Amino acid sequence: DVKVTQSSRYLVKRTGEKVFLECVQDMDHENMFWYRQDPGLGLRLIYFSYDVKMKEKGDIPEGYSVSREKKERFSLILESASTNQTSMYLCASSLGTGSNQPQHFGDGTRLSIL
Amino acid sequence: AQSVTQLDSHVSVSEGTPVLLRCNYSSSYSPSLFWYVQHPNKGLQLLLKYTSAATLVKGINGFEAEFKKSETSFHLTKPSAHMSDAAEYFCVVRVVGTASKLTFGTGTRLQVTL
Repeated sequence: DVKVTQSSRYLVKRTGEKVFLECVQDMDHENMFWYRQDPGLGLRLIYFSYDVKMKEKGDIPEGYSVSREKKERFSLILESASTNQTSMYLCASSLGTGSNQPQHFGDGTRLSIL
Repeated sequence: AQSVTQLDSHVSVSEGTPVLLRCNYSSSYSPSLFWYVQHPNKGLQLLLKYTSAATLVKGINGFEAEFKKSETSFHLTKPSAHMSDAAEYFCVVRVVGTASKLTFGTGTRLQVTL
């Protein structure tokens, strides 16, 4: 079974802090994704990566950056946290480039910015 | 652009009665469609996927969905609801021109009562 592990389930940070969210997958997947989930809005893609050191902007990249130095790890960085970044953050991974490859999700990090 | 619309934000059924969660899609091409489920404080789990093979797709936990091109619909059904089915359900379409990007609906919360 695919395992996608997010380092924290709950996180509380202060406005202006630099925040790191970590995600690790154990199935040698090429693709990794970061989403945020807000009530009534579903999931929105922040960034994704299809290979080590490669990244592409998703639909809402403003205020975020990412890092993928190793294939199994994909980090989301909030450069200067703001209260409107309080949300549930979900990491996912998928195999290769086939269109029928599903994404496998971690359990999420609930981030509160005070 | 591809999109999905989940027609109900909240559905309530009694245990043992049928479940119907409605989803319409918009796509210029033959789409790849998915249903995911999210239980409280958990990540998303793939229920089933449609990728232009059989139009009736069977998934896990007794769920199935039928792809109807003439109606641009991909509704999720289950003959008999169980208490453990209470969760949020997301209809998802793969973005054409990308191998892996997905667009999520806003979700339908399923409540199952005794």
